[in-house]
Formats: sequence, structure tokens, C-alpha cells
Amino acid sequence: AQTVTQSQPEMSVQEAETVTLSCTYDTSENNYYLFWYKQPPSRQMILVIRQEAYKQQNATENRFSVNFQKAAKSFSLKISDSQLGDTAMYFCAFSDPSSYNDMRFGAGTRLTVKP
Amino acid sequence: SQTIHQWPATLVQPVGSPLSLECTVEGTSNPNLYWYRQAAGRGLQLLFYSVGIGQISSEVPQNLSASRPQDRQFILSSKKLLLSDSGFYLCAWRGIDYGYTFGSGTRLTVV
Repeated sequence: AQTVTQSQPEMSVQEAETVTLSCTYDTSENNYYLFWYKQPPSRQMILVIRQEAYKQQNATENRFSVNFQKAAKSFSLKISDSQLGDTAMYFCAFSDPSSYNDMRFGAGTRLTVKP
Repeated sequence: SQTIHQWPATLVQPVGSPLSLECTVEGTSNPNLYWYRQAAGRGLQLLFYSVGIGQISSEVPQNLSASRPQDRQFILSSKKLLLSDSGFYLCAWRGIDYGYTFGSGTRLTVV
């Protein structure tokens, strides 16, 4: 079974600085998708970024980028120029498209951006 | 564009009372739908998922049930709530890119 591990329960960063959140996963599949979701205090789950396993190029979305290391099964999220609005819980997720019950979430990392 | 609606946003219910949370999706047909529960400061626990009308799969045996009476409607129910049913409930659907889109959630407090 696929598992997703986020080893950093809490992190903090100063406003305008860069922070990296770690995520590792375990799977025997070759075709899969990886995601980072953000959950601010409102608790709405928001998709931050998506990576397809067969694409070697790392995904980027404005200030958010990932470092996808398929062989190491690592999928870290880098937030550049951190803003106060980035304060949230961040969940790493793994999706196996061959299964209906496909999404596996990590336990989350609580990120606080300090002014 | 696809949207997902979930209501109510907040609910306070006494122990032993019934529960009905509703989720509807617009802009897509035959979506895969999911109910998750999240305890405060914790991760997401999958409760039920559905791949079509009347098709429900349960992930965790509990006091809750789910139904899908229409293609884009997913309902979470309970006949008698327990204190342990308190939490934040999220509905989601899976898009063609295999990512999930979530509703805004329901904060349930059982008193």
C-alpha cells in the first residue's frame, strides 16, 4: 500500500524568506501523481501544485515549486518570498490513477510565516 | 467550470440526534466523490467514496453512512450522533487530472 510521510510537523519562516517542506512516499507503481494542498485557518483545502510522475521537469506555480526525485521517492515543496498568507497546514498527497480509492495524504506540516 | 458545494458550514447537534450533510457537484458528470473527516490539527481520514449512483464504499466502520441518490449528490448521514463524531467533514471530487477538489467543509460539534 502507498504511504506518504511528512517528517516535519511544524515549521516557521520569516516573511520574504524561502522555506522547504519535505515529503517522502512509498509505492511500487510507476505511473502516479503527487500534490501539495494548503489548508489555511479557514480549513478550505486548496490545491497548490501538481506533479506527474512521468514528467522529469519539476512543477512550478508562481512562488511555489517542487523538487521531485522519483528514484528517492521524494517530493518537497519550496515556497519562495514567503508571505503571511502562506501560513497554513500543508498536506502532501499521492494519487494512484488505477484505483478509485487512490489518494493518500501525509499527516501535514503546519507552516507559520512570521512578520 | 466545475464547482462543489457543501452545507451546512457549521452544525451543533446533541448526542443521539440525526445528521445529514450534503454535497453537490456542478459542471461534471459521473464524478468520483469522497467524504473525509479531519480532527482538529490532524490529517484527513477517508470515510466513504462513491463511483456512481447508489455505489458506496466504506473505509472505516462507524456510526455514519453515506448515500448517492443522484449523479452529483453525495450525502453523509447518521441516525444517532455520538460525541466522537465531532470534527470537520470535507467532501471532494476527483478531477480528470486525478487531483481532488474539496468543498468548504462542515464543522460538526456534537454536544
